[in-house]
Amino acid sequence: DQQVKQNSPSLSVQEGRISILNCDYTNSMFDYFLWYKKYPAEGPTFLISISSIKDKNEDGRFTVFLNKSAKHLSLHIVPSQPGDSAVYFCAASLISNFGNEKLTFGTGTRLTIIP
Amino acid sequence: GAVVSQHPSRVICKSGTSVKIECRSLDFQATTMFWYRQFPKKSLMLMATSNEGSKATYEQGVEKDKFLINHASLTLSTLTVTSAHPEDSSFYICSAQQRNYGYTFGSGTRLTVV
Repeated sequence: DQQVKQNSPSLSVQEGRISILNCDYTNSMFDYFLWYKKYPAEGPTFLISISSIKDKNEDGRFTVFLNKSAKHLSLHIVPSQPGDSAVYFCAASLISNFGNEKLTFGTGTRLTIIP
Repeated sequence: GAVVSQHPSRVICKSGTSVKIECRSLDFQATTMFWYRQFPKKSLMLMATSNEGSKATYEQGVEKDKFLINHASLTLSTLTVTSAHPEDSSFYICSAQQRNYGYTFGSGTRLTVV
């Protein structure tokens, strides 16, 4: 059961344009959402996050939007740069039955920025 | 910033042998460490959560006796894949959690069992 879904496995965007990556989730208990960026042969690096009590968080070129009623979040990158080409994972967090915080990841979207 | 060192980055082993993967937090003490596994074209799947000095908590479907996790100190956790088989071939990633500072991931280990 995939609780966090990224339905687009890949996305190509022209340099300078806006990249929009989407993520849907099913578990309404998730209380925190994160986006990670991953280059080949490297571990994911944290990009930006948002609490479930907010609907928008902005950090430089990156903005994350959360629509709780639709159980949907999106990452906007503007303007897109060639260095943004990577795989992007969204992740959702909740406190597990054992009291630990637990991340559930989506399947990732490969973003390619076209120069 | 926080750095997590994971090694080896790649390992090839024979079926039936055991492989140990190390995960170290270099400049902070990790209250909790996580081990993930990634199958091709799949998301990162949490295998287990370990707190220093206590037994790891394994996710449903993960064999405790096959994937041995030791978290002996606040800066080191190890994952040992025992009696590895080709179906254990995968990309394994650790993550260290620093209280109030979130998660930092290691660079991952590509395990190939032949």
